[in-house]
Amino acid sequence: DTGVSQNPRHKITKRGQNVTFRCDPISEHNRLYWYRQTLGQGPEFLTYFQNEAQLEKSRLLSDRFSAERPKGSFSTLEIQRTEQGDSAMYLCASSSPGSPLHFGNGTRLTVT
Amino acid sequence: AQSVTQLDSHVSVSEGTPVLLRCNYSSSYSPSLFWYVQHPNKGLQLLLKYTSAATLVKGINGFEAEFKKSETSFHLTKPSAHMSDAAEYFCVVSPHRDDKIIFGKGTRLHILP
Repeated sequence: DTGVSQNPRHKITKRGQNVTFRCDPISEHNRLYWYRQTLGQGPEFLTYFQNEAQLEKSRLLSDRFSAERPKGSFSTLEIQRTEQGDSAMYLCASSSPGSPLHFGNGTRLTVT
Repeated sequence: AQSVTQLDSHVSVSEGTPVLLRCNYSSSYSPSLFWYVQHPNKGLQLLLKYTSAATLVKGINGFEAEFKKSETSFHLTKPSAHMSDAAEYFCVVSPHRDDKIIFGKGTRLHILP
C-alpha cells in the first residue's frame, strides 16, 4: 500500500490557462473522490467515481472543470480557462464502499 | 437527503480539561461515520471510524466517539486536552455503501494554556 499519490504538488499558472492534475489511488480502492479546499474552509466535494463511472458531480462546479478515470485506475482533473478564484488545494481521496477515505497530499493551485 | 451537521464552528477549552465536539447526521440507512483531523498546513488524518460494530469507538491520540442512533449523533470526546490537539476537526458520514461521502463544515478546536 503506497497510499494515494497526487501530482504535481504545486502548480502556478496564469489566468486563462488550462491545468491538469493527476491522482493515483490505492490500487484496491474502487472509489475515487476529488475535493477542493480553500484556506480556513473544509473540503468541498467536486466529484466522485466508482471504478470508471463518474457517479456525481457537484452542481457548484462549472463546466470548466472536468474529471476522468479511464479504466478505473488513476484519475485526472482538468480546469480550463483558469480564474483566480480557482486557487485552492485540490485533494484526491480513495476508498472502498463504507470505508474511510484515504487522502493524498493534494495539489496546490495558484492562479496569477 | 443525507447530511452531517457540526454544531459548533469553534470550540475553546483549557489545556487539561475535557473536549466535546458535536456532530449530528441524517441518513436513511445505517451509516458509516468518521472523524478526521487537520492540523494547520497539514493533510487530513483519520482519527476514528464507526462501521456498525461497537457504538463506542476509540481512536488515536486519546480521542473517542459514541454512536447514538436514537439521537443521530456521533460526538467526539477526549478526557484531557493537550496543546497539540489544536486543529480543525471534520465529522464525515458515508450514509450507505452506494452513497457518496459527506463532510461536515468543520470545528476549529482552540486550546488555551
